[in-house]
Amino acid sequence: RKEVEQDPGPFNVPEGATVAFNCTYSNSASQSFFWYRQDCRKEPKLLMSVYSSGNEDGRFTAQLNRASQYISLLIRDSKLSDSATYLCVVTTSGTYKYIFGTGTRLKVLA
Amino acid sequence: GAGVSQSPSNKVTEKGKDVELRCDPISGHTALYWYRQRLGQGLEFLIYFQGNSAPDKSGLPSDRFSAERTGESVSTLTIQRTQQEDSAVYLCASSLGTSLQETQYFGPGTRLLVL
Repeated sequence: RKEVEQDPGPFNVPEGATVAFNCTYSNSASQSFFWYRQDCRKEPKLLMSVYSSGNEDGRFTAQLNRASQYISLLIRDSKLSDSATYLCVVTTSGTYKYIFGTGTRLKVLA
Repeated sequence: GAGVSQSPSNKVTEKGKDVELRCDPISGHTALYWYRQRLGQGLEFLIYFQGNSAPDKSGLPSDRFSAERTGESVSTLTIQRTQQEDSAVYLCASSLGTSLQETQYFGPGTRLLVL
């Protein structure tokens, strides 16, 4: 089983739609969680960190469920510019590895 | 300010040749990471530096891969006797410290093609 698993998609949604991605992780000792965004042929960039209490940044909401070992990303009112691959990242106490999921591809359609 | 830079941006080499990839992290960032991303795949951790030391080399795929960092700044990733399966984008990232809450800032990557 992969340490971090994501549905690869693609998710094709119309502009203005709400879309949600989940990411599951296998190591219960996982400590920190992030969502990164990667545009085609570009480097990943931090979208947001994921806190235990959940957090929101504009149209983006991230949540963590430690009991079920998953994190989620909700995007409201999707824009064309949201089209990208969204990478789930997990770190584990005792190592310095940032484990990246393979990403979920989102395409927002006009 | 300047971000993470990598060179070359693209590299085409013949199987069996050695290649050297360079990463210039953000000034003042003590942590530096190398990743590999094959086409259509996720990021694969290769190695991590804290200062000039590499406490975690567990991700290096084989003994053909090595990396060093000097002056708590520039890092080079060397691949000896390249193979076609080494073809990938090699991404470097840096972060301010070693806390696992730190944001990693990525460079644009080096696209390596081994013929």
